[in-house]
Amino acid sequence: EPEVTQTPSHQVTQMGQEVILRCVPISNHLYFYWYRQILGQKVEFLVSFYNNEISEKSEIFDDQFSVERPDGSNFTLKIRSTKLEDSAMYFCASSNRMTVLLGYTFGSGTRLTVV
Amino acid sequence: TQLLEQSPQFLSIQEGENLTVYCNSSSVFSSLQWYRQEPGEGPVLLVTVVTGGEVKKLKRLTFQFGDARKDSSLHITAAQPGDTGLYLCAGPKAAGNKLTFGGGTRVLVKP
Repeated sequence: EPEVTQTPSHQVTQMGQEVILRCVPISNHLYFYWYRQILGQKVEFLVSFYNNEISEKSEIFDDQFSVERPDGSNFTLKIRSTKLEDSAMYFCASSNRMTVLLGYTFGSGTRLTVV
Repeated sequence: TQLLEQSPQFLSIQEGENLTVYCNSSSVFSSLQWYRQEPGEGPVLLVTVVTGGEVKKLKRLTFQFGDARKDSSLHITAAQPGDTGLYLCAGPKAAGNKLTFGGGTRVLVKP
């Protein structure tokens, strides 16, 4: 069964450093998303991406965050200057239709720890 | 703001027992999805319910969407230790297709 692949599985970084989280969505999917889950809290939407541009973003997704699809397969989330409160599991997801009726396929996540 | 509230937050039962998890909102959702999440893993889609009153079965799991499309339930019959996990409901927000997630119900099935 097709999978969404995320790397690294765990990233530890110092406060103020830049991190790039990588995702390889399912190959025929066109819509890509980043969600995050702070320990013990709900899964929260960060951003959606379609046709090489952001289609929607949450209030969490401020100027410190950016997304990019640098080639035909990777989808990245960059945090420019990490803060302690950015520590969370970050999940990439993809779907092949704009509607969510078919549901998303999520990756296994990257655990980001900011120290 | 469309919120999804799940109850209970935690459920511990013996193997063979039945359980029901609830997902409620004061808002109407066009559809609701149920996911299961294992520790350290991403959510895995179980089912999507779309029509008010819809019932879907997935082996021992039965999913129901309320008539008014404001609530949903997940019922597990004869639970097994392999059913242990965090069960999440999620629905698309009114505008766009981003998902709002409930807080989850952590289910522990003891052998």
